[in-house]
Amino acid sequence: AIRMTQSPSSLSASTGDRVTITCRASQGISSYLAWYQQKPGKAPKLLIYAASTLQSGVPSRFSGSGSGTDFTLTISCLQSEDFATYYCQQYYSYPRTFGQGTKLEIK
Amino acid sequence: QVQLQESGPGLVKPSQTLSLTCTVSGGSISSGSYYWSWIRQPAGKGLEWIGRIYTSGSTNYNPSLKSRVTISVDTSKNQFSLKLSSVTAADTAVYYCARDHPRFDSSGYVDAFDIWGQGTMVTVSS
Repeated sequence: AIRMTQSPSSLSASTGDRVTITCRASQGISSYLAWYQQKPGKAPKLLIYAASTLQSGVPSRFSGSGSGTDFTLTISCLQSEDFATYYCQQYYSYPRTFGQGTKLEIK
Repeated sequence: QVQLQESGPGLVKPSQTLSLTCTVSGGSISSGSYYWSWIRQPAGKGLEWIGRIYTSGSTNYNPSLKSRVTISVDTSKNQFSLKLSSVTAADTAVYYCARDHPRFDSSGYVDAFDIWGQGTMVTVSS
C-alpha cells in the first residue's frame, strides 16, 4: 500500500495567516491526490482533487500543488471556519490511502 | 442533490458480524459511473478505506480487511451495504459511506470521494 505522510501533524495559526501543509507519498502517484477538510463530529469534505483542482464551491483561498511524491495544500488567508483537520488521499492505486491528518488550530 | 445516510446497529459483540447500510437519496445509485465506498475512522484517528462497489457488483477491497469484508448493492432499494465479520474492539469506529466518481476531465484522471454520509458510530463490546 502507498503510505501518505503529512507534515506537520498539528499547526497553530491566526486568522489572516497563510499556511501550508505538506503531503508526501511513499511512491510516485502522478497527480492522483485529493485533499479533504474535516471538522469535529462531521464527515470529511472534498476540497481539491487532481492535486490542484478546486472542488466546486470551495473558496479560492485554498490551493494545491505538486505531483509525483510531494504535494502541498495552502490556505492563503485563514478564516475562522478553516480551523479543522486536513487529510490528503491518493487514488493512484488500491487500497486508497489517507495521510494521518494535520490539525489546524487557532493560535 | 444526492445524499447518503448510514444505518445499522451501534453496538456489536466481539466475534459477531457488523452490518451497515447506506441509503442513497436524491438520485439513482445506478445512474452515472459512480462507485460506492465504505470508509472508517476510529476515535481521534485517521481515515481508513474499507472498499467499494460498482452497481454491476464489481468490488475492490482493502487487503488488510479483505478476508472479513463483503460489500453488496441493492439497486431496487437504492442502497449498498457493508458486512464485516469476526469483529474485535479494533473495529470500533465511525463508519462512513461515500461516493466516488472515476473519470477523466480537464484536470486529468479524477477519483476522489465527493459525497459522504454523516457517519455512524459502531462500538464493538460485550
